[in-house]
Amino acid sequence: RKEVEQDPGPFNVPEGATVAFNCTYSNSASQSFFWYRQDCRKEPKLLMSVYSSGNEDGRFTAQLNRASQYISLLIRDSKLSDSATYLCVVHKGSNYKLTFGKGTLLTVNP
Amino acid sequence: DAGVIQSPRHEVTEMGQEVTLRCKPISGHDYLFWYRQTMMRGLELLIYFNNNVPIDDSGMPEDRFSAKMPNASFSTLKIQPSEPRDSAVYFCASSTGANYGYTFGSGTRLTVV
Repeated sequence: RKEVEQDPGPFNVPEGATVAFNCTYSNSASQSFFWYRQDCRKEPKLLMSVYSSGNEDGRFTAQLNRASQYISLLIRDSKLSDSATYLCVVHKGSNYKLTFGKGTLLTVNP
Repeated sequence: DAGVIQSPRHEVTEMGQEVTLRCKPISGHDYLFWYRQTMMRGLELLIYFNNNVPIDDSGMPEDRFSAKMPNASFSTLKIQPSEPRDSAVYFCASSTGANYGYTFGSGTRLTVV
């Protein structure tokens, strides 16, 4: 099983739609979780950390379920500018490495 | 803050040539990471440094790859000799610790022909 697995996508949604991405991780010792965003031919950028109690940043909501080793990202009221690849990222804690999922491509259409 | 600075942005080289990629981390960040990204394999960690010391190089594909960090503000990733399968985007990232995420540079797009 891969360390971090994501919905393969791609997701194509209209503007204003709500879209959710899922991610599972294999190592129960994982301690920190993040969502990164990567635009085409650009570097990954930190979108938000994921906290145990769940957290929200504007239109973005991240959830963590440690029992199921599952992370999610919900985007409400999608904008054209949300079109990007979303990377699920896990930190195990025993070292300083972040493990990245392969990403889910989102295209928001007018 | 200028962010993580990588050079060159693009590199096209012939098989067998030596390639050197450069990175300047964010000042004050004591962790530096080298990643490689391809469509097939996604982002793969090659090596990381803490306070200029290599900590984990288990991701370095083979002896053709080497990385150095002579001081806190500069690191290089060298491929010698280069092969077509090394074609990828190479990212450098820096951090104050994994709990805070990484900041990536804009990457070097390497093409080996």
